[in-house]
Amino acid sequence: KQEVTQIPAALSVPEGENLVLNCSFTDSAIYNLQWFRQDPGKGLTSLLLIQSSQREQTSGRLNASLDKSSGRSTLYIAASQPGDSATYLCAVRGGGSYIPTFGRGTSLIVHP
Amino acid sequence: DAGVIQSPRHEVTEMGQEVTLRCKPISGHNSLFWYRQTMMRGLELLIYFNNNVPIDDSGMPEDRFSAKMPNASFSTLKIQPSEPRDSAVYFCASSRYPSWLDGGETQYFGPGTRLLVL
Repeated sequence: KQEVTQIPAALSVPEGENLVLNCSFTDSAIYNLQWFRQDPGKGLTSLLLIQSSQREQTSGRLNASLDKSSGRSTLYIAASQPGDSATYLCAVRGGGSYIPTFGRGTSLIVHP
Repeated sequence: DAGVIQSPRHEVTEMGQEVTLRCKPISGHNSLFWYRQTMMRGLELLIYFNNNVPIDDSGMPEDRFSAKMPNASFSTLKIQPSEPRDSAVYFCASSRYPSWLDGGETQYFGPGTRLLVL
């Protein structure tokens, strides 16, 4: 059974810092990995999706990498802003399954 | 497109009552997911539909929970009878799978229904 772990569970940083959020998974036979953002009281918004054949995806100040062999993905946030404050979740869709497995998320606070 | 639509947004009910949550997926999407999110357990998949057919309902907690998708534009999740431990945020998500080998899909989530069972 796929297990997804996100470290750290919570993070508080001053504005302007570059951040790395981590996601690890136990079964490397995956189809894709997706990073989501969840604002308090809201649903999840997809940020980046990396297919199993890809190593990274970029969108604006966000960069997500994937290393299947080690079972890890990182989400890099450059020049963090208070508006980046949210919970970030990663979800892994394993081989042969239509169903993604979610991590518990990293709660990020960027203070001015 | 309006995105995934869920109703009601908030529901407060008493233990033992029937609760029905509704979801309208994005037009053209052929896969629909129901999730439950709590502080204790995080985000859990309850059931997954593909082309209106339930494919995996292994996450449905017990017989009190049931889900239907009578057509491509509507799904319901019913809890009968409801219990306080069912209190959670219930999310519906949809996506488009051109084929099961295609790993390029993105899930789009609705705003969720906050359920409180007293």
